[in-house]
Amino acid sequence: DVKVTQSSRYLVKRTGEKVFLECVQDMDHENMFWYRQDPGLGLRLIYFSYDVKMKEKGDIPEGYSVSREKKERFSLILESASTNQTSMYLCASSQHGINYEQYFGPGTRLTVT
Amino acid sequence: QQQVKQSPQSLIVQKGGISIINCAYENTAFDYFPWYQQFPGKGPALLIAIRPDVSEKKEGRFTISFNKSAKQFSLHIMDSQPGDSATYFCAARGSSNTGKLIFGQGTTLQVKP
Repeated sequence: DVKVTQSSRYLVKRTGEKVFLECVQDMDHENMFWYRQDPGLGLRLIYFSYDVKMKEKGDIPEGYSVSREKKERFSLILESASTNQTSMYLCASSQHGINYEQYFGPGTRLTVT
Repeated sequence: QQQVKQSPQSLIVQKGGISIINCAYENTAFDYFPWYQQFPGKGPALLIAIRPDVSEKKEGRFTISFNKSAKQFSLHIMDSQPGDSATYFCAARGSSNTGKLIFGQGTTLQVKP
């Protein structure tokens, strides 16, 4: 079974803190994604990576950065957390090519106070 | 042009009824249309998917109807069960190898016993 794990299920941080969200997948997938999920807005892509050390901006990259030093690990960084970054964060991974299915982790609910 | 619009935002159906969720898109380059199902506290998981060269795909009680000329597709859940209560997301993929998906806004389905 494909497994995507996220480092925390719940996280509470203060405004201005630097926040790291970690994601690990165990299926040797090339692609990894970070989304945020907000009611009524669906899943919005923050960043994605199609190879180690490669990254591309998604639809809402402002205030975020990412790091992918190893194939299995993709980190989302909030450089200076703000209250409008309070959200559910979902990580996903997929293979290149014909098999397009994205496998999601359970999510991290981040609250910034 | 990169948007996928999903409706309704929420849906209540009686057990045994038919649940219908609709999505519309504008980008004719999209070549893959999956539906994801998300239960509370879990990440989304692929439910069923279709490519634009077919008009319908059925898997058990779940059917995707696809209208290429209208640029619309819908999910039909026949004989809806309380266990189907979840949030459903439609999505579309552009023609690239990265697997990047554009998600709809989500529909929360409640099936009443």
